Amino acid sequence: ELKVEQNPLFLSMQEGKNYTIYCNYSTTSDRLYWYRQDPGKSLESLFVLLSNGAVKQEGRLMASLDTKARLSTLHITAAVHDLSATYFCAVDDDGQNFVFGPGTRLSVLP
Amino acid sequence: GAVVSQHPSWVICKSGTSVKIECRSLDFQATTMFWYRQFPKQSLMLMATSNEGSKATYEQGVEKDKFLINHASLTLSTLTVTSAHPEDSSFYICSARDLGQLLWSNQPQHFGDGTRLSIL
Repeated sequence: ELKVEQNPLFLSMQEGKNYTIYCNYSTTSDRLYWYRQDPGKSLESLFVLLSNGAVKQEGRLMASLDTKARLSTLHITAAVHDLSATYFCAVDDDGQNFVFGPGTRLSVLP
Repeated sequence: GAVVSQHPSWVICKSGTSVKIECRSLDFQATTMFWYRQFPKQSLMLMATSNEGSKATYEQGVEKDKFLINHASLTLSTLTVTSAHPEDSSFYICSARDLGQLLWSNQPQHFGDGTRLSIL
């Protein structure tokens, strides 16, 4: 059974600071996705990581994938209040299962 | 980009009412659609996989007689919550796979905007 974990589950940080969210998963997969969800809204796709060593950056967010370690990271650089949201990683094990992590609730304080 | 429309966005109704939620792929064909449920402050949990022209596949613990799924065309799937009760109150999100881009698209699923269901 594919299991996806995220750490931390809650994160409160000050503007301007850096932090990393971790996503671990239990089976071999080279397809990992990061989503953002604002309160009361659906999911917004952030990153698609499809191979070992993949790194993608968009603004203050950077995501990476290490398939050997079964680990993905979402790094936040110089956080701003607008980044406050819940971030989910999801793993696709070759189309059989698409499982979301529990989410990381990020609050960026002024 | 691919767009999935979900309707309604918000429903409030009395206990015992049946509620239908529609999920449409607006600019692509989707042989497979997915229905998720999300309780407050929790992650998305897959309820069922909706397959065009055949019966839906339900996840363990999801009552198929309570959550009726119909996928009659390549662009429409519906979820009907029958005889809804307060414990069914949740945020329901559908998603769809783009059949035409399945082989080369990086996106496995396109998500609808969600339906917030509140049962009084």
